[in-house]
Amino acid sequence: DAGITQSPRHKVTETGTPVTLRCHQTENHRYMYWYRQDPGHGLRLIHYSYGVKDTDKGEVSDGYSVSRSKTEDFLLTLESATSSQTSVYFCAISESEVEEYFGPGTRLTVL
Amino acid sequence: DAKTTQPTSMDCAEGRAANLPCNHSTISGNEYVYWYRQIHSQGPQYIIHGLKNNETNEMASLIITEDRKSSTLILPHATLRDTAVYYCIVRAASGTYKYIFGTGTRLKVLA
Repeated sequence: DAGITQSPRHKVTETGTPVTLRCHQTENHRYMYWYRQDPGHGLRLIHYSYGVKDTDKGEVSDGYSVSRSKTEDFLLTLESATSSQTSVYFCAISESEVEEYFGPGTRLTVL
Repeated sequence: DAKTTQPTSMDCAEGRAANLPCNHSTISGNEYVYWYRQIHSQGPQYIIHGLKNNETNEMASLIITEDRKSSTLILPHATLRDTAVYYCIVRAASGTYKYIFGTGTRLKVLA
């Protein structure tokens, strides 16, 4: 399995609080991605990074920000969590056009 | 990136071949066809990809029609562990390599 971890794996928080999810890789891959997965929607891309400090928006970026200060870490921040952001969040990494490796996911519940 | 259309669900008897179709009628010349699967609540797993030739690996075969407007993923001898959601994705060969996932096909392998 690719060296990719996500933390925390589970989190329950309240509406209006800030939340940061971390994705860490040991593969030195250039590209990193954050997806969310909700019933009936499959996986939807939130933000992605194509290098240190180089990020761009995906399909559903509103309410989310990201940062990548070093190759191995990609942080996803919900500045003020809302109930609509209750979801399972997956991080992925890739180095080429061949394939992405996905992390185990973070289950976030916003009450 | 081109969109894909897949059946919502399919059943397959254990030990038989599972043939999962995908339509991608608006695919561009530089777009690859990728297949991923997601078992239960795990992160998606890469299966196979191709441009225009048929491809085979240890997991599956990918058959792409000559006009490239559709493809079929074949699991030659389905097992219960192949029960999963299968995603067909088309993506450009160059650029930022981001995927757009649909809702996939839920394959159930029956004993």
